[in-house]
Amino acid sequence: AQSVTQLDSHVSVSEGTPVLLRCNYSSSYSPSLFWYVQHPNKGLQLLLKYTSAATLVKGINGFEAEFKKSETSFHLTKPSAHMSDAAEYFCVVSDRDIGNQFYFGTGTSLTVIP
Amino acid sequence: DADVTQTPRNRITKTGKRIMLECSQTKGHDRMYWYRQDPGLGLRLIYYSFDVKDINKGEISDGYSVSRQAQAKFSLSLESAIPNQTALYFCATSDGATGIHNEQFFGPGTRLTVL
Repeated sequence: AQSVTQLDSHVSVSEGTPVLLRCNYSSSYSPSLFWYVQHPNKGLQLLLKYTSAATLVKGINGFEAEFKKSETSFHLTKPSAHMSDAAEYFCVVSDRDIGNQFYFGTGTSLTVIP
Repeated sequence: DADVTQTPRNRITKTGKRIMLECSQTKGHDRMYWYRQDPGLGLRLIYYSFDVKDINKGEISDGYSVSRQAQAKFSLSLESAIPNQTALYFCATSDGATGIHNEQFFGPGTRLTVL
């Protein structure tokens, strides 16, 4: 069965320090993985996606994620947090076995302290 | 103009009322989806449609119905609203031609409150 676990429901960092949002997945095939961001009162915006072309994926706004098959992880990182990064982040898995449907994690709320 | 639009953006209704949420897209995508978002639960799939004649139930379809009036329009109905259907509802689209790597594009959401 496909599932996504976001290991932290809330993460708080100081502005200018690194960000790490953790995501583990389970999939019966070769998945596609995505990170979406949701700013307050906004819809979801794609940050980046893993499509098997490269294990280190670079996204918008300085975010990147590394696909580690042996660890079934797809953690999101950013070297230096900005106040505008404060938002809800969702890890998503998509798999052929489920008709390419999206399965969402429960989200991680990122707070950036000035 | 936004590629995926939802109407209304906010709605307050009473228990037992019928309500329809509408979604339109200008992206030319064949696939459309309805999700609901509840705090601490992420997004859960209600219904999805891979084309006008292909509609499928998602994880939590009970109490909901949908209509795909055209490739660009996908409506979600609550026949008799109940308070636990209070949530944020999102419509999304994707291009089936891109296969497994197809990202989904989301509308701005409809905040529904059932009293």
